[in-house]
Amino acid sequence: GESVGLHLPTLSVQEGDNSIINCAYSNSASDYFIWYKQESGKGPQFIIDIRSNMDKRQGQRVTVLLNKTVKHLSLQIAATQPGDSAVYFCAENLRPGGSYIPTFGRGTSLIVHP
Amino acid sequence: EAQVTQNPRYLITVTGKKLTVTCSQNMNHEYMSWYRQDPGLGLRQIYYSMNVEVTDKGDVPEGYKVSRKEKRNFPLILESPSPNQTSLYFCASRRSGGANTGELFFGEGSRLTVL
Repeated sequence: GESVGLHLPTLSVQEGDNSIINCAYSNSASDYFIWYKQESGKGPQFIIDIRSNMDKRQGQRVTVLLNKTVKHLSLQIAATQPGDSAVYFCAENLRPGGSYIPTFGRGTSLIVHP
Repeated sequence: EAQVTQNPRYLITVTGKKLTVTCSQNMNHEYMSWYRQDPGLGLRQIYYSMNVEVTDKGDVPEGYKVSRKEKRNFPLILESPSPNQTSLYFCASRRSGGANTGELFFGEGSRLTVL
């Protein structure tokens, strides 16, 4: 019979468009957030981070926005390129004993069409 | 080159046959962690270690063991693997305290199949 699995949210964009990937986090006590990019066959890699005392942070072609009121995080990628095709994870971090403990979201698959 | 190295990268085994996945980092990181990644479920933490001889359970520790006898190594042990442990496993490390950014450095992954 047909197997049913969990499917990743997927965002398809054209090369050159801007991409926005969203993430809802669960714990209002989380005070540090990281976006990771995972290319096919590789481990996740750090893209950008933001602390809870900020609502926006910019990197090279990427911007992270944090809305603590609704516990929402977004990653904006400007002028998306085929090399941006990957799965993107957000991670919220708690610091119960002074050291960050991350919890990852399920991820979003970004597909960039040339 | 700064890296986290996992071995083996691929393994097919049978139910009940003990196996160990090794993890080594050359960045002098205090914190190390193991994750499993399953389709649609993201990364779930199995165990983590804040430093040598200090380990704690993550979200899905059942069926796994770890040890941290040296700072650079953090092996994951499956004493009696079962098919539900078929997964893609990642080891990760980072600094702790001080100027800790929280950024995790991941290995390339170990794909395990238990028949």
